[in-house]
Amino acid sequence: QSALTQPASVSGSPGQSITISCTGTSSDVGNYNLVSWYQQHPGKAPKLMIYEVSKRPSGVSNRFSGSKSGNTASLTISGLQAEDEADYYCCSYAGSSTWVFGGGTKLTVL
Amino acid sequence: QVQLVESGGGVVQPGGSLRLSCAASGFIFSSYGMHWVRQAPGKGLEWVAFIRFDGTDIYSVDSVKGRFAISRDNSKNTLYLQLNSLRLEDTAVYYCAKDPGSRDSSGYYPGDWGQGTLVIVSS
Repeated sequence: QSALTQPASVSGSPGQSITISCTGTSSDVGNYNLVSWYQQHPGKAPKLMIYEVSKRPSGVSNRFSGSKSGNTASLTISGLQAEDEADYYCCSYAGSSTWVFGGGTKLTVL
Repeated sequence: QVQLVESGGGVVQPGGSLRLSCAASGFIFSSYGMHWVRQAPGKGLEWVAFIRFDGTDIYSVDSVKGRFAISRDNSKNTLYLQLNSLRLEDTAVYYCAKDPGSRDSSGYYPGDWGQGTLVIVSS
């Protein structure tokens, strides 16, 4: 049950696009299409942004998109806005009704 | 809409116990699996435990096995997490979350989240 690997921080200017990677193993990310992404603002609860690799919940901007290749999942945010500045976490099903999160990525909008 | 309200957090000494509750509303609680996820101060999220819709199957991360117990009372629309033999490293905000999977699923992901309750383990 090792944590998924995410970059500690990423940054971008308003209007630009950024991508956050999430690397796991063939036992989690690589084996299931059950990767989800969460946005967390300081002092707030996490909010689901992407589920099942690339699906967006109702109400989430289409500027957010997800993908997966092998053992690595990615979250892309296009048209960066100031309100996107937050921590982002990936999560993967790891089999036998267990889950594992990534260490989190701090997004700074310059 | 889905509402999850955690309670029961507080300050406890190492080795002590605490029971967290999560009151659910806005959905048919007895039809969905539920998660507990925690976040130590300044740290990332850690999945803690999952319970299926009817409470028949429970799963947890290795670091809490034998110390924490997840349970539910579907007649009260409430999820619980019993924390025993608490350690300093258990200090965290504990969130409950609803899994979107149907009754026959073994879980998909933490979907809707509560606001969390803070547990501080300190002597």
